[in-house]
Amino acid sequence: DTAVSQTPKYLVTQMGNDKSIKCEQNLGHDTMYWYKQDSKKFLKIMFSYNNKELIINETVPNRFSPKSPDKAHLNLHINSLELGDSAVYFCASSQDAARSYEKLFFGSGTQLSVL
Amino acid sequence: AQSVTQLDSQVPVFEEAPVELRCNYSSSVSVYLFWYVQYPNQGLQLLLKYLSGSTLVKGINGFEAEFNKSQTSFHLRKPSVHISDTAEYFCAVSPRGGYNKLIFGAGTRLAVHP
Repeated sequence: DTAVSQTPKYLVTQMGNDKSIKCEQNLGHDTMYWYKQDSKKFLKIMFSYNNKELIINETVPNRFSPKSPDKAHLNLHINSLELGDSAVYFCASSQDAARSYEKLFFGSGTQLSVL
Repeated sequence: AQSVTQLDSQVPVFEEAPVELRCNYSSSVSVYLFWYVQYPNQGLQLLLKYLSGSTLVKGINGFEAEFNKSQTSFHLRKPSVHISDTAEYFCAVSPRGGYNKLIFGAGTRLAVHP
């Protein structure tokens, strides 16, 4: 069983389109995250939700809207896609956001290519 | 604010040789320190972390790292690497007392050759 699963694995789309990436964790964790990895492999946090509440929002354009219907799911919707959105997006989870020493469990990533 | 610098973008090494991947950090607050590994086409996995106490920490797959407060470094070492260690290695910090928010370095690509 995959602990953190995200779909799709690959996403190729045209500029201006709207797309969503889904993430689910079966670890019973309270906290989920979205990270963006650019073409140079640099990883940066985008959002974090704790029990469906947004707790971290790192100056991401408002074209990006995370949604957490329950604590096991955190989806990422992107409006009006731009070339610069091309990246690998990783979902992750941890038991408790307030415990900053806990390890994160990462999904295998969604490679988004905007043409 | 925190930042992490990984001094080598690529480290080529022969199988069974020792390796050190270097990491320096800067932070205005106390931090926890981590090393994560990313195998091709996979998500990141935790190798080891430093919270407190002994400055030498041991992780999975024979890796260890040493925390040096005066030099603000957290270098990763392995005495003898295998082909299967070929991967991208990320050093990261997370502020103590705040939300779990990993700040990553740019990564070091370890390439182990036969």
